[in-house]
Amino acid sequence: EPEVTQTPSHQVTQMGQEVILRCVPISNHLYFYWYRQILGQKVEFLVSFYNNEISEKSEIFDDQFSVERPDGSNFTLKIRSTKLEDSAMYFCASSNGVHDTQYFGPGTRLTVL
Amino acid sequence: EDQVTQSPEALRLQEGESSSLNCSYTVSGLRGLFWYRQDPGKGPEFLFTLYSAGEEKEKERLKATLTKKESFLHITAPKPEDSATYLCAVQEIYGNNRLAFGKGNQVVVIP
Repeated sequence: EPEVTQTPSHQVTQMGQEVILRCVPISNHLYFYWYRQILGQKVEFLVSFYNNEISEKSEIFDDQFSVERPDGSNFTLKIRSTKLEDSAMYFCASSNGVHDTQYFGPGTRLTVL
Repeated sequence: EDQVTQSPEALRLQEGESSSLNCSYTVSGLRGLFWYRQDPGKGPEFLFTLYSAGEEKEKERLKATLTKKESFLHITAPKPEDSATYLCAVQEIYGNNRLAFGKGNQVVVIP
């Protein structure tokens, strides 16, 4: 069964450093998303992406964040200068249509020291 | 104001003891309501999508129902492997396709 994959599973970084989280969405899906979950809190929407551009972003997704689809299979989330409060699980998701079910990856645990 | 409120936050069940989880939502127009299962340290795993009041979906020991204000996830004769956090999320009908999640119902099934 097709699934969303994410790398790395765990990333540790120093405050102020840049990180790139990588995702491979399900191959025939057209819509891509990033969510995050701070420990013990609810899953929060960050951004959605379609046709090589951002279709929606939340108030969390400020100028420190960016997304890219560098090739036909990968979808990345970059955090330019990490802060302590960026520590969270980051989930990538994809869907076939704009309102179809979103399938989530296993997540990347980001720890900012 | 939270769009999605789930109750109870945590629930301990004896194996075989059926129960229901509640998800109350507040949206201007509902496009879909989604139930996911999340195991510790893992990503949400899709269970059901419900689109209109009165709709029901079933999968093994789980059954999801939807009204105009809330959804229920019924767990019938649970087994220890049903232990997980169950997440409810809504998608609004106007414009965007983001999912708004509740905090989840943490279920522990004791053998």
